[in-house]
Amino acid sequence: DIQMTQSPSSLSASVGDRVTITCRASQGIRNDLGWYQQKPGKAPKRLIYAASSLQSGVPSRFSGSGSGTEFTLTISSLQPEDFATYYCLQHNSYPFTFGPGTKVDIK
Amino acid sequence: EVQLVESGGGLVKPGGSLRLSCAASGFTFSSYSMNWVRQAPGKGLEWVSSISSSSSYIYYADSVKGRFTISRDNAKNSLYLQMNSLRAEDTAVYYCARDPRALLQGAFDIWGQGTMVTVSS
Repeated sequence: DIQMTQSPSSLSASVGDRVTITCRASQGIRNDLGWYQQKPGKAPKRLIYAASSLQSGVPSRFSGSGSGTEFTLTISSLQPEDFATYYCLQHNSYPFTFGPGTKVDIK
Repeated sequence: EVQLVESGGGLVKPGGSLRLSCAASGFTFSSYSMNWVRQAPGKGLEWVSSISSSSSYIYYADSVKGRFTISRDNAKNSLYLQMNSLRAEDTAVYYCARDPRALLQGAFDIWGQGTMVTVSS
């Protein structure tokens, strides 16, 4: 099975900050990776697919990069509505696996 | 509007059974693989099962293999998860999610609102 790790597990940031979250796969997954945002009590929402493609309707301050085993999600200027938990998902091979999540809260 | 709506959750005793449903609307259901994903209270996301568009390919997480059965009815635009021999560790919110990988659009693009399953005596 492919294991996904995320760092950091949590971070505190201010509105306007640039935030970067890293996701690492235990083996190469090409670009078969997505990033999801989840707010309390809500379903996850896809932000990025194919490692770097922006989901339609998602603000351009979100961007993704990487291929193989290392991936990053960047929020260029954090907004109040971005405080949430972020997960990566690998769908290169079964069983699909999510990262453990990164909680972004207000400093 | 593209939408997925889960139903069927509830409280069940250990060893019991439950059948979840996911009703799809606003898209051609029969063209997409579908998935179930769960989230235990206060925990992260866990993929549970996948089914291809024509039901030809089915996959399960080891944690549910032999106890859960995924199925679909394309005529009814519906996805199902039959859960048997339920355990306390199956307690979670269960989400259905659309899978557009066949369209080279990544995975899990649309999610339902979730349905809560509680396994407790």
